[in-house]
Amino acid sequence: DIQMTQSPSSLFASVGDRVTITCRASQSIATYLNWYQQKPGRAPKFLIYAASSLHSGVPSRFSGSGSGTDFILTISSLQPEDFATYFCQQSYNTPLTFGQGTKLEIK
Amino acid sequence: EVQLVESGGNWVQPGRSLRLSCAGSGFTFGDKAMHWVRQAPGEGLEWVSGISWNAGRIGYADSVKGRFTISRDRNSLYLQMNSLTPEDTAFYFCVKDKGYNILLDGGWFDSWGQGTLVTVSS
Repeated sequence: DIQMTQSPSSLFASVGDRVTITCRASQSIATYLNWYQQKPGRAPKFLIYAASSLHSGVPSRFSGSGSGTDFILTISSLQPEDFATYFCQQSYNTPLTFGQGTKLEIK
Repeated sequence: EVQLVESGGNWVQPGRSLRLSCAGSGFTFGDKAMHWVRQAPGEGLEWVSGISWNAGRIGYADSVKGRFTISRDRNSLYLQMNSLTPEDTAFYFCVKDKGYNILLDGGWFDSWGQGTLVTVSS
């Protein structure tokens, strides 16, 4: 199975900050990497697919990059509604697997 | 608007069975792969199973292989869960794929239901 490891596990930031979250795969997954946002008590929301393609309706302050084993989610200027937990997920091979999550909290 | 409505979650004793259902609307159900993803309270996300648009490709997490069976019909997705253990306790989300396959040309979870809670306990 492909293991997905996110860092950091938690992150404190302020409104307006630029934030990056890293996701590393245990083997090369090309660009079969997706990102999700989840708020407490809610279902996850789809943000980015194929490492860098923004899902429709997702604000342009979100961006993704990377290929192979190392990937980054960037939020260019944090907004109050962005404080949430973020998960990466590989769609290269089954079983599909998620990272453990990165909780983004207000500083 | 895409809507996914899960049902069937309940409290059950270890070793028993449960069947989850998910009714999809607002999209052409037969064109998309579908999945079940679960989340134990306070924990992360775990993909449970996925089925391609035509049921030609099916996959399972190692933790449920041999116990759970995914299936679909015209407008609904199902998960038959047998030999349940306390480790299966979680919210189970029905998830629509952006693509038609469960990986490579799919495996993108673009719409989620609200989840149904399965509790396995004696």
